[in-house]
Amino acid sequence: AQRVTQPEKLLSVFKGAPVELKCNYSYSGSPELFWYVQYSRQRLQLLLRHISRESIKGFTADLNKGETSFHLKKPFAQEEDSAMYYCAPRGIQGAQKLVFGQGTRLTINP
Amino acid sequence: EPEVTQTPSHQVTQMGQEVILRCVPISNHLYFYWYRQILGQKVEFLVSFYNNEISEKSEIFDDQFSVERPDGSNFTLKIRSTKLEDSAMYFCASSEGQGGYGYTFGSGTRLTVV
Repeated sequence: AQRVTQPEKLLSVFKGAPVELKCNYSYSGSPELFWYVQYSRQRLQLLLRHISRESIKGFTADLNKGETSFHLKKPFAQEEDSAMYYCAPRGIQGAQKLVFGQGTRLTINP
Repeated sequence: EPEVTQTPSHQVTQMGQEVILRCVPISNHLYFYWYRQILGQKVEFLVSFYNNEISEKSEIFDDQFSVERPDGSNFTLKIRSTKLEDSAMYFCASSEGQGGYGYTFGSGTRLTVV
């Protein structure tokens, strides 16, 4: 079964502090991994994807296949990072769907 | 930057009525999706569509739901007889390709069934 676990529903940190949003997945095969972000009243936006190994807005994510994790990190949080974050694996064949986790609501306190 | 466009942004309908939610995906994208998000819950997959047919559908996507790509540009989701529990935000998405390609999401249609 395809399953994504984001254990923290809510996460609150102070501005300038490091942030880590956890994601563990259970997915047959070797999926591609994505993080999506949803700012208040806006659409879901692609934040980053494992395949491109990019860093967007200071966020990075490391895929650990042994632990089946894809945690999202940022060394210094900013107030504009406050949003809902979703981890989502996607199969690599066909029109494979994204499977979303429950999401973590990140709040950055001033 | 190309966008996925959804209309209307908000629709209120009476229980039992039919609704059609409309989406215009990005023009060179090949894969199309509908998701929904009930208030306070996670984003749930409904259906994927490729090459003019449904590729996969979830258990939510029962006989009350259908999708269509009538003219090569629009992608619609029809709910034949709405129920109260169909109230949710419905997101359309499109993707250029498989696997490592992410989706581009529309801004959603908030459906309220009364």
